[in-house]
Amino acid sequence: EVQLVESGGGLVQPGGSLRLSCVASGFTFSTYWMSWVRQAPGKGLEWVANIKKDGSKIYYVDSVRGRFTISRDNAKNSLYLQMNSLRAEDTAVYYCARDHQGAGNYYTDVWGRGTTVTVSS
Amino acid sequence: QSVLTQPPSVSAAPGQKVTISCSGSSPNIGSNLVSWYQQFPGTAPKLLMYDNSKRPSGISDRFSGSRSDTSATLDITGLQTGDEADYYCGTWDYSLDSVVFGGGTKLTVL
Repeated sequence: EVQLVESGGGLVQPGGSLRLSCVASGFTFSTYWMSWVRQAPGKGLEWVANIKKDGSKIYYVDSVRGRFTISRDNAKNSLYLQMNSLRAEDTAVYYCARDHQGAGNYYTDVWGRGTTVTVSS
Repeated sequence: QSVLTQPPSVSAAPGQKVTISCSGSSPNIGSNLVSWYQQFPGTAPKLLMYDNSKRPSGISDRFSGSRSDTSATLDITGLQTGDEADYYCGTWDYSLDSVVFGGGTKLTVL
């Protein structure tokens, strides 16, 4: 069964840091782009970042660039999101997702259940 | 403000057809293929449509998609109460170098 399982969410104070992890199973992790997508309470989906199969290309949404770092370890079938300088507006459910990305083409076909990040004092 | 514009809500009676629109611009929908996602409350999104009009395995043919110029649409025919959910469009935006989603549309089956 194809599966993505996130962990690492929790309550953190503004300005703090958190590292999210996502473990993949049921498919060849190293052959897919991977994304983090978040959803603030009562709001829509917001793509955060994605990373190429071998980690050689990375993209970020402007609101997290310079604060968040996406990375992966293909040997461990794992995706990570290091989040620094957290703000209240980063409060959201964070989803790990499997991407299909190419010239003129993007979609996400597998999603994890999400992990909740709350930034509050 | 989302880069892609969707109506906040749509509604129709069971058995009827509904259309959800997704409006963008040249760097996103105008240049790239569109995908659609269905999300029920408290659950993760699910891929409903990709490459404008292709359905993943297991998705009912009551769902169909299309793209024209800088807009895309998702049609749902034979509406069922189980279709009540939030629907999102998404694509790549080459000017932002990022994925963009619509703000989401809440479907109510009256």
